[in-house]
Amino acid sequence: NAGVMQNPRHLVRRRGQEARLRCSPMKGHSHVYWYRQLPEEGLKFMVYLQKENIIDESGMPKERFSAEFPKEGPSILRIQQVVRGDSAAYFCASSPLALGTSGTASYEQYFGPGTRLTVT
Amino acid sequence: AQTVTQSQPEMSVQEAETVTLSCTYDTSESDYYLFWYKQPPSRQMILVIRQEAYKQQNATENRFSVNFQKAAKSFSLKISDSQLGDAAMYFCAYRSEGAQKLVFGQGTRLTINP
Repeated sequence: NAGVMQNPRHLVRRRGQEARLRCSPMKGHSHVYWYRQLPEEGLKFMVYLQKENIIDESGMPKERFSAEFPKEGPSILRIQQVVRGDSAAYFCASSPLALGTSGTASYEQYFGPGTRLTVT
Repeated sequence: AQTVTQSQPEMSVQEAETVTLSCTYDTSESDYYLFWYKQPPSRQMILVIRQEAYKQQNATENRFSVNFQKAAKSFSLKISDSQLGDAAMYFCAYRSEGAQKLVFGQGTRLTINP
């Protein structure tokens, strides 16, 4: 069973260009999460999606950032008009349908290898 | 909002020795999950160990164990018989019961001295 796949692994964009980051979840996983890791910091939650639905986008910047998880194909994190402050590692994670209530098995998030975005 | 604090930016240990990484968190909830993730230089996030808050028994995975103190909101990771391959950034993370997102600490960089 292949793990979470992200591409590209490295992406260089000039200021003002668009960045598209792709994430293919593990087989059978219908939940996708995006996190951003700035240099020397921990991961910060951005958005949580299920197929064709954005469930929680409380961590997404209000402008220039969008995410989708279509019925077919990978999840896409899109950053328009990139600025130097967008330079970071972007991680995608996936999980199966949540089972978690107290006393039952919780689920885990499985992370991809990340995409390192550099804005020049 | 929940917060996770790792007060040790860097730690080092001699190979084969034991090291403990600290983590504290702030929450008003009673049901939640705690995790330790390892991030080696490859940057791949690897789940090391998980603890359910409703369980009093501390989780253990081979050389890795936790000391979970619910009242103190403390969740430390102990690595026994440290190996060179344990060198990495270690992140403590929290997830509320019923919530989906992980809240991460700032990380601790662990160096293993041969």
